[in-house]
Amino acid sequence: QKEVEQNSGPLSVPEGAIASLNCTYSDRGSQSFFWYRQYSGKSPELIMSIYSNGDKEDGRFTAQLNKASQYVSLLIRDSQPSDSATYLCAVISSGSARQLTFGSGTQLTVLP
Amino acid sequence: GAVVSQHPSRVICKSGTSVKIECRSLDFQATTMFWYRQFPKKSLMLMATSNEGSKATYEQGVEKDKFLINHASLTLSTLTVTSAHPEDSSFYICSARDRTNNSPLHFGNGTRLTVT
Repeated sequence: QKEVEQNSGPLSVPEGAIASLNCTYSDRGSQSFFWYRQYSGKSPELIMSIYSNGDKEDGRFTAQLNKASQYVSLLIRDSQPSDSATYLCAVISSGSARQLTFGSGTQLTVLP
Repeated sequence: GAVVSQHPSRVICKSGTSVKIECRSLDFQATTMFWYRQFPKKSLMLMATSNEGSKATYEQGVEKDKFLINHASLTLSTLTVTSAHPEDSSFYICSARDRTNNSPLHFGNGTRLTVT
């Protein structure tokens, strides 16, 4: 079974700090990786996509992918209380089904 | 960006009745749509994969006769919760991808179902 693992948290960081969220996946052939943010009672919102090894930056967000280690992370710089949410890692598996598999999510709290 | 519209956002129904939830992709064609259910403070649970023009694929443990899925066009999928019971109360979220295999899922805003 293809799995995506995340530390469920909760992760608490002070306002202005860097929040680091981690995700590992089991399917070595996976090619596409995504981070979603989900506020309580709302549906997930796509915040980052990454497809190749290395870093990808978008504003205060940086996604990091290491396919050799089967590891993808999300860094949030200058964390704000409004960043408090659950962050979901998602991976498109290899194979014809191209199924998107979600991790269970990491709950982040940014303390003012 | 890709937009997925889900309706209604909130519904309250009596036990034994049926509820239909619509999911539309507004600016792209979706051959595949996905239906998720989420209980409070729990992770997303994939219920079924809706395939345009063919039968939906249900995840293990999801009753296909209770959760009827129809995907009649490339922009519309519906989920009907039949003979709803209080334990069906949950947050139902649809999502869709465009035809590009590596594209991300885009989610609707979800439907909060309460069965009394």
